Amino acid sequence: EDKVVQSPLSLVVHEGDTVTLNCSYEVTNFRSLLWYKQEKKAPTFLFMLTSSGIEKKSGRLSSILDKKELFSILNITATQTGDSAVYLCAVETGANSKLTFGKGITLSVRP
Amino acid sequence: EAQVTQNPRYLITVTGKKLTVTCSQNMNHEYMSWYRQDPGLGLRQIYYSMNVEVTDKGDVPEGYKVSRKEKRNFPLILESPSPNQTSLYFCASRLVGGTQFFGPGTRLTVL
Repeated sequence: EDKVVQSPLSLVVHEGDTVTLNCSYEVTNFRSLLWYKQEKKAPTFLFMLTSSGIEKKSGRLSSILDKKELFSILNITATQTGDSAVYLCAVETGANSKLTFGKGITLSVRP
Repeated sequence: EAQVTQNPRYLITVTGKKLTVTCSQNMNHEYMSWYRQDPGLGLRQIYYSMNVEVTDKGDVPEGYKVSRKEKRNFPLILESPSPNQTSLYFCASRLVGGTQFFGPGTRLTVL
């Protein structure tokens, strides 16, 4: 059974802090890893990672994948209150392209 | 505008009364899925479809049915809803290997 584990489950930081969110996985037939941000609505796409060691970057957010150690991190620098959300990691596997989600990390950014 | 739509957005019903949640996408995506999201359990896949007339069970299919008669539509059917199906439901679509787009969600309460 495919497993995706995110840590920590939740964290509280102050504006301006840098945070690192973790996602580890044990799956068969890995295809890609995706990060989503979910506020009080549907998840919105952040990054898709398929190759090890290549950092994807969008503004203050960045992410990298390690296919040897089977994990990914999502970094957020200079956090803002608008970064408060649940961050979801999902792994795409197999010929049927199934997505398995982790339980999410709840990030709270205090002013 | 490229989007996934779901209806209804909110529904309160009673045990045993059949209901259908509709899902439609306008991006010509082959792959469509239904998820339920529950506190502490994250997003879990109910059913998915890789193309017209091709559907398969996800992780939690019991008590649900789907159909895929047209590429753009993927309705979720609860033949005899029970209180344990009270949840937040998301429909999603994507190209195989591409990023996944989520609908706005349907909050279902079964009394």
